[in-house]
Formats: sequence, C-alpha cells, structure tokens
Amino acid sequence: GQNIDQPTEMTATEGAIVQINCTYQTSGFNGLFWYQQHAGEAPTFLSYNVLDGLEEKGRFSSFLSRSKGYSYLLLKELQMKDSASYLCAVFFNKFYFGSGTKLNVKP
Amino acid sequence: DSGVTQTPKHLITATGQRVTLRCSPRSGDLSVYWYQQSLDQGLQFLIQYYNGEERAKGNILERFSAQQFPDLHSELNLSSLELGDSALYFCASSASGGETQYFGPGTRLLVL
Repeated sequence: GQNIDQPTEMTATEGAIVQINCTYQTSGFNGLFWYQQHAGEAPTFLSYNVLDGLEEKGRFSSFLSRSKGYSYLLLKELQMKDSASYLCAVFFNKFYFGSGTKLNVKP
Repeated sequence: DSGVTQTPKHLITATGQRVTLRCSPRSGDLSVYWYQQSLDQGLQFLIQYYNGEERAKGNILERFSAQQFPDLHSELNLSSLELGDSALYFCASSASGGETQYFGPGTRLLVL
C-alpha cells in the first residue's frame, strides 16, 4: 500500500498564509491531488500536480517534488470559510487518500 | 453540484441487515469509485469500476460487494451489517482513471 502523511490539525488566523504538507512513497507515482472537505460534506477538487513545480489557482497553490515525494498546499489570504479538512491523494494505479489535515481559521 | 448523484441520502437500519447504495456518475464518466468515511476518519478506498469491469480493489470487506451496470450507474451492497459499518459512503466518478474525481453528496448509513 501507500503511506501518505499529512499533519492532523493546523490553526491559522484570518488573512494569513498557511502551508499544508504531504509526503508519500515515490515509486510508481502517477499524480497528486488536493481536495477540500467541509465537515459532513463531499470532498471537492482543488488541484492536480503531475509534474514538479508550483500550480497556482487564485488563493490556492500546490507544489510538487516527485524526487522527494513531497507536496504542499498553500492557502493565502485565509478566510473563515477555509476552515475545513484538506485531503492529499496520490494515484498509483489506484487512489490513496491521506487522513486529511483539519484547518481551523480563527478571526 | 458535482453531477454525481447518490441515493439514498440517509439510511438507518439494524445489525444483520443488508442495504444497497446507488450512484450515478457524471455524464460521460466511465469510472466509478466507492469510499467509506467513518466519523473523523479519512477516506478509505473500497473499489473502482471502469466501464462495467472491476479495475481496482481497496479495503473492501467480503460482506460488501459492488457492480457497475451497462448504463454506468453503480451499486454498493452491504450485508450482515455491523455497528462499525456506520459511516458516510461516497461515490466518485472520473472520465477514465487517474484523473480528477468528482464526488457525490454521500449516503450516511447508521446501523443500530
């Protein structure tokens, strides 16, 4: 199987920047996804990385280093509605999801 | 709205019973995935179908089975239910496999 590691919980202040890290085993990697999930709701797609580098999409950016088995999701200008769990998922012939990072945004 | 539909939204049943969860993928998507998410837990991948055929299997119990029909909708059958099967069950779809998945709203199952 795959071991996907993310911090369990993080807290940040409204208007700030937060970085959520994700590490995975590198062999056989085919792509990395980030999803946002509000409590009791379905995950929604945020970003997809298959090549090294930074993908920017508005306030959210995602970075990938395939050689290091490392990705991060960067959230800028945090808003209260960004309080949610952020799931890292990797594709190696099938999908493996991390346990998610619960982000608490404080006023 | 992701375009993926799941029914029912909520299901309450008793231990030992059998239930069927239904999923209709987004128009044009050939792959369907099933996930289980227990309270405050991550998503556990159960099984993937592609165009009617089983493509990948995850942590699916022998008491659980699934299939994808010619019209591409999928059903997840859970039998001999136990209290620990209480969870949110999500279905997701993608165009073929390995691309972005779009999740349905989930079925919340409560086993009493």
